[in-house]
Amino acid sequence: EVQLVESGGGLVQPGRSLRLSCTASGFAFGDYAMSWLRQAPGKGLEWVGLIRSKTYGGTTEYAASVKGRFTISRDDSKSIAYLQMISPKTEDTAVYYCTRVVLVYDSGSPKWGNFDYWGQGTLVTVSS
Amino acid sequence: DIQMTQSPSTLSASVGDRVTITCRASQGISSWLAWCQQKPGKAPQILIYKASTLESGVPSRFSGSGSGTEFTLTISSLQPDDFATYYCQQYNSYPWTFGQGTKVEVK
Repeated sequence: EVQLVESGGGLVQPGRSLRLSCTASGFAFGDYAMSWLRQAPGKGLEWVGLIRSKTYGGTTEYAASVKGRFTISRDDSKSIAYLQMISPKTEDTAVYYCTRVVLVYDSGSPKWGNFDYWGQGTLVTVSS
Repeated sequence: DIQMTQSPSTLSASVGDRVTITCRASQGISSWLAWCQQKPGKAPQILIYKASTLESGVPSRFSGSGSGTEFTLTISSLQPDDFATYYCQQYNSYPWTFGQGTKVEVK
């Protein structure tokens, strides 16, 4: 059974770093891209970023709202994806979800596609 | 960035109703669109991917259609478990973007 469990959330002061973890089980973690999304209280879903599998370079993509402040990384030996929040702002307060990303094919070329599994989320509150 | 616009924002319906939600992309995204459902306090769950492919285990009363810039999610006969918020999401190009959501509430 595929499981994604986020941890590391809590109260953090603006400008203080926080690292979220997403521990995966039930599948070959190294074969998949992983993505982080967030949802501010009472608001809709926002994509934060993605890290490709090592086979596809292990490179990352980010939303403009977090680029330069957040870093996504992965440890395939532990089946964990990380979201490092370097200088969080009050507007980063949200529930953060990690998701597994499916590889799809576009006219024969691989690309990272839809999410198929989500974690339960972890709440991050940025406040002084 | 590709903007995704859903309509309506809120939909009032009764059990047994046929429900349609529309999602428009600001530029063409081929069929690289997913729909997910979220209930209060819970993580979203995927319903449909590649615009019209039903995720395994999702009831057949859900269906998706469209390509390019216009997409729809249809629930053929609304069930009590379907009252929730629905989001469309494009994965054609980065940054991936979501619609603002459509809340389906009890009429």
